[in-house]
Amino acid sequence: NAGVTQTPKFQVLKTGQSMTLQCAQDMNHNSMYWYRQDPGMGLRLIYYSASEGTTDKGEVPNGYNVSRLNKREFSLRLESAAPSQTSVYFCASGGGHGGGSPLHFGNGTRLTVT
Amino acid sequence: QKEVEQNSGPLSVPEGAIASLNCTYSDRGSQSFFWYRQYSGKSPELIMFIYSNGDKEDGRFTAQLNKASQYVSLLIRDSQPSDSATYLCAGNDYKLSFGAGTTVTVRA
Repeated sequence: NAGVTQTPKFQVLKTGQSMTLQCAQDMNHNSMYWYRQDPGMGLRLIYYSASEGTTDKGEVPNGYNVSRLNKREFSLRLESAAPSQTSVYFCASGGGHGGGSPLHFGNGTRLTVT
Repeated sequence: QKEVEQNSGPLSVPEGAIASLNCTYSDRGSQSFFWYRQYSGKSPELIMFIYSNGDKEDGRFTAQLNKASQYVSLLIRDSQPSDSATYLCAGNDYKLSFGAGTTVTVRA
């Protein structure tokens, strides 16, 4: 019973490098989300996908792109990493379309940009 | 502006005491609220949800929703050291409405 699986768990990038964070869920959820969490800031939404084939910007989308590859997978890409993107990234999924049901979180990716 | 604000914390309580956490929200259309617990270095996990006005109890946890005053709260009775964590509240619109979290420390 995997739930929400995120890879990688840890990553160190140099400024300007690119990378893709992968997320997959096996709960047949419609909605998927990418958050970042910084000390004292709580969870801030980067992008979300209310259903397969749709994506929308959240609170802090600048510097990121996403792809909802299919119902199971939702990836987050950093095209040119910056030190300000050092954070813990969480992927989550939920049963409703855009909200109204509890979220299930992955274990997170700790990203450091030097 | 966040739709959900957590104003309390950090909170330190002795073992066995009641910990009280509060959130206020701005969107009167919000229908449901969720409380998540997050241990240090871990991901958030759901502990309570509430849809209706009033109280909802689950073991040592009680969630309270007051739609007229637009606040939602979480009470942890008989607090244990294992309750030491950050507690996040969220409304049903996840686009904007996660609170910043309240860190609870239970002193043995």
